[in-house]
Amino acid sequence: GESVGLHLPTLSVQEGDNSIINCAYSNSASDYFIWYKQESGKGPQFIIDIRSNMDKRQGQRVTVLLNKTVKHLSLQIAATQPGDSAVYFCAERSRFGNEKLTFGTGTRLTIIP
Amino acid sequence: DGGITQSPKYLFRKEGQNVTLSCEQNLNHDAMYWYRQDPGQGLRLIYYSQIVNDFQKGDIAEGYSVSREKKESFPLTVTSAQKNPTAFYLCASIARPNQPQHFGDGTRLSIL
Repeated sequence: GESVGLHLPTLSVQEGDNSIINCAYSNSASDYFIWYKQESGKGPQFIIDIRSNMDKRQGQRVTVLLNKTVKHLSLQIAATQPGDSAVYFCAERSRFGNEKLTFGTGTRLTIIP
Repeated sequence: DGGITQSPKYLFRKEGQNVTLSCEQNLNHDAMYWYRQDPGQGLRLIYYSQIVNDFQKGDIAEGYSVSREKKESFPLTVTSAQKNPTAFYLCASIARPNQPQHFGDGTRLSIL
């Protein structure tokens, strides 16, 4: 079946360093991808999105890269801060799916002071 | 402030009891979604509604029911048929196609 997964369940990064969170997807019909941040006891918070006609998109301190050839998505966070500690999810949407999202299992990012 | 409000934050269910989780949005969004999140896992879609008085089953609809009588409200009922209801339930909405879903802060349901 179709799935969205993550390579690493946990990631620890020194404060001030850059972090990279990876995500693999298998649905070749996916045309829209989103990264969410979830803090403990809260709902997912939108970080950044990218459409399949793009390879890269930048926001404030975050960059998403999309490699459609190998079906790989990554989230780069620059100059990490303690507030970046959270679980990060990637989600994909199929162009045939009525805006339904398929979520990965998440990566827990811990920023070490 | 505009947003999605889920209530209650914590809910306890007794054996054989139905419970209803509230989701209200004042964003004027057409589509609304219910997800279930289990510890250490991603979100799984229970039900979704793209317009008032219409809704569709998601991937794990068994044991759940919904209604969409008003644009702002999309309540989820966890019925006694759901044998493993303990989870974190999240409601989301979307303004229009090709936009990210925005989430409420969830309801944590536990069994007494």
